[in-house]
Amino acid sequence: DQQVKQNSPSLSVQEGRISILNCDYTNSMFDYFLWYKKYPAEGPTFLISISSIKDKNEDGRFTVFLNKSAKHLSLHIVPSQPGDSAVYFCAASSSPQGAQKLVFGQGTRLTINP
Amino acid sequence: EPEVTQTPSHQVTQMGQEVILRCVPISNHLYFYWYRQILGQKVEFLVSFYNNEISEKSEIFDDQFSVERPDGSNFTLKIRSTKLEDSAMYFCASIKDRDRVPETQYFGPGTRLLVL
Repeated sequence: DQQVKQNSPSLSVQEGRISILNCDYTNSMFDYFLWYKKYPAEGPTFLISISSIKDKNEDGRFTVFLNKSAKHLSLHIVPSQPGDSAVYFCAASSSPQGAQKLVFGQGTRLTINP
Repeated sequence: EPEVTQTPSHQVTQMGQEVILRCVPISNHLYFYWYRQILGQKVEFLVSFYNNEISEKSEIFDDQFSVERPDGSNFTLKIRSTKLEDSAMYFCASIKDRDRVPETQYFGPGTRLLVL
């Protein structure tokens, strides 16, 4: 049951260029979306989120875009830096708030080349 | 900055043994979760816990699993009789206030469990 999908297992980008990570979802009840970054042997670190009432949220070098009609979101990192190399997980949750469990995608391994 | 902590960082156990994984959520957080990630797979929800009760659990969270908040700071996951397929990274997470929408979950560093 892959409600959240990240179809690219890996992505390689030149330092200074834009990294674009994509995520698709199938459950139309999802109304809150998050991106987490994960280094090996560490827990997921929250990066940026977006509510379904918005289509864009920006925080420094990171921007998340949401296209509800296409059930698609993307994370843009610009400019990409070597420290951005990590696995990026897209996650989604739905109201009501009662449990707010997160449903994760499979992750995309981003490698930034100097 | 406050963070979620987990102990131990690694645990090796024999099949059939009981293990207890411990988490200390962020101090003013009220809602707690366990997730796991089997090597090479996605992070999966196990259980959520609020007000000393399980709020929701996944089909993975069968009778071999239990959670407890034994005191005001710790949150534990017990696996009664471990199986080989329980080998995974187990992550604890917490949020401050479930009634505030939306709320970001903050994750601990994880416990790597290896069942032999």
